[in-house]
Amino acid sequence: GAVVSQHPSWVICKSGTSVKIECRSLDFQATTMFWYRQFPKQSLMLMATSNEGSKATYEQGVEKDKFLINHASLTLSTLTVTSAHPEDSSFYICSARDRHVGAFFGQGTRLTVV
Amino acid sequence: GENVEQHPSTLSVQEGDSAVIKCTYSDSASNYFPWYKQELGKRPQLIIDIRSNVGEKKDQRIAVTLNKTAKHFSLHITETQPEDSAVYFCAAPSMGGSNYKLTFGKGTLLTVNP
Repeated sequence: GAVVSQHPSWVICKSGTSVKIECRSLDFQATTMFWYRQFPKQSLMLMATSNEGSKATYEQGVEKDKFLINHASLTLSTLTVTSAHPEDSSFYICSARDRHVGAFFGQGTRLTVV
Repeated sequence: GENVEQHPSTLSVQEGDSAVIKCTYSDSASNYFPWYKQELGKRPQLIIDIRSNVGEKKDQRIAVTLNKTAKHFSLHITETQPEDSAVYFCAAPSMGGSNYKLTFGKGTLLTVNP
C-alpha cells in the first residue's frame, strides 16, 4: 500500500505556543489529505480536508483560525495548532487518498500541551 | 452526509474462535468499504476493503461481506489469535462532492484471550 509519513510522532509544548505537524505522501501524489483528531478510546474525528492549491474545508465545530492547514504541494500538507492550550492535547493523524479512494494513514502525532 | 454505526463496541473471544463485527451505513451511493485495525498508540492499518460490485472478499483469516440492499457490511475473523487484539474501525465514504471523505464507525475493541 501507499506510504504516508507524519512527523513529529510526539511533541510537548507550552500553552500559548504553536505547533506544526507535517504529513507527506512518499510514493504517490495526494491531491487530497485529511486531518483527524482522536481522543483516547474513541474513533477518528475528521477535522478538515486539505486540498492541494486551495483552501482547506473544515468540519463543523472546528476552528479554522486555530487549526491552520496548508497543502502547498501534491505530497505535503501541514497542520499548525496555533496558541495551543491543554484542551488541544490529543492524537492528531493525517491520511492521504490515492486515486483509488483508499486512505492511508500517517503515524500520528501525540500532542501534549502543558 | 454519511452515518456509520458499528457494533459491538467491545468483543472478547477465546483464541481460535471467530469474531464478527458489523457496520451499517446511510448513504446508498457509497461504493467502497474499508476496515482498519488500530493497535494502541499506532496508526490505523487498512486490513481489507470491498467495493460494491462484490458481495464478499476474503484474505486468509479475514473476510468482509457486503449487503448493499440492507446497507450493512461485516468483518469476519476466523481462528483468532492474541495478536488480532486491537481496535477495529469500519468506514464508508461520503459520496457527495469530489473529496470522498471517509466516515468511521466508533470502533470495536477486540480482545482475544489465550
